[in-house]
This record gives sequence, C-alpha cells and structure tokens, in this order.
Amino acid sequence: GNSVTQMEGPVTLSEEAFLTINCTYTATGYPSLFWYVQYPGEGLQLLLKATKADDKGSNKGFEATYRKETTSFHLEKGSVQVSDSAVYFCALSDGAGGTSYGKLTFGQGTILTVHP
Amino acid sequence: KAGVTQTPRYLIKTRGQQVTLSCSPISGHRSVSWYQQTPGQGLQFLFEYFSETQRNKGNFPGRFSGRQFSNSRSEMNVSTLELGDSALYLCASSVIGLAEYNEQFFGPGTRLTVL
Repeated sequence: GNSVTQMEGPVTLSEEAFLTINCTYTATGYPSLFWYVQYPGEGLQLLLKATKADDKGSNKGFEATYRKETTSFHLEKGSVQVSDSAVYFCALSDGAGGTSYGKLTFGQGTILTVHP
Repeated sequence: KAGVTQTPRYLIKTRGQQVTLSCSPISGHRSVSWYQQTPGQGLQFLFEYFSETQRNKGNFPGRFSGRQFSNSRSEMNVSTLELGDSALYLCASSVIGLAEYNEQFFGPGTRLTVL
C-alpha cells in the first residue's frame, strides 16, 4: 500500500537558519503530495501541495518540489523564524478514484523547534 | 467563516465503555473524514462520509463506526473501548472529499483517554 517516510526528528534550529525536512513516498499511480503543519493545541493546516511531477508548492516562504524520479517531496525554507516551531507532516493522496475519497496517508511528523 | 468544530475536546472513559464524538464541518462542506492520531502509529485514516454515505474506510476493527447527518455533521462511535484506543481523534471537512481538488480543513481534535 501507499506510505510516506519522513526524516527522524526532532529538528532544532536557530532563527534564520536553513530548513530541510526530508520526505519520500511509496505509491502506485500518480499521487498528489502535501505538507501540513500542526501548531500546539490546534488541528492540522495545509501548508502547500503539488499535484503532479515537477510541480513546486510554496507558501509562507516554504517550498517543496514533487520529484517523481526520486519519489521525494522535501520541505525547505531559507530562513526560519521562532513562529515556525510546530510539527510538520508530509502526506499523499493516491488520486486513484474511490480509494482516495477523504483519505490522506501521513508520515510520522517532524517536530521543529526554532530558538531565537 | 467558522472552522471545523469538534466536541467534546477531552474525554475520559474506562475500558469496555463506548463513546461518541461529534464533528461539525465548515458550512457548505459535504465530506467529513476521521483520523486517529497516536504517538506510536501517527495519523491513520478511519473513514469518510459524503452526503450521509460512507465512501471510504481505513483498516480499523468494526468497533469503530460513524455516521453523517443531512446537515453534514458527523459522529463517530467507538464501542467496547480498549486502552489502545486512547488517542487524539481528528475530523476534517472538505467540499467534495478529493484532496487534489480542494483542501481538507481539520478540527482541533478530541482527546480520548481510556483508563
């Protein structure tokens, strides 16, 4: 079945440092890929998405490129802020019709802590 | 526009009991999905409802069930609770339930503790 693997965390950075969180996936067909963020005490929020190979999703300074050849969707940000501290989840939707209704397959999540 | 709301936010039950959780989607959203979040297993899909019909189901035992009402509000029920059912239960709503085309909006979750 489909699966998503994220780099082991937690990740601790200083403000203005460069961020990379690795994400690889296993899926049949042509999945869509997502990054979600979860702040303490809140539900998940969509950060960015890409629906086909070579698409780049971007939002709030975060970027990720859908690489079909390496089955990856790594999250990057050039300069992190303290307010970026949260848990980040990589996810996929298999786009295979009925089995994809309402279903996202998530990675384990990566805790990011940014210090001033 | 009000977000996804879930009630109650916290629940404590004992083994063998049953529990019902409620989710009110964003107005106009007809798809409601449920997820279980635990430290060990992460986020796992339970089921999805659209227009009062279950369209998709994850790999959970039959003790986990759900339903959706005509106003799109959804409930999930867990019978004969086990210690391993302790988790954060998240509800997500979207317009038509296909993440490629429209965003899933998540509620804050219901924290269930089974003693």
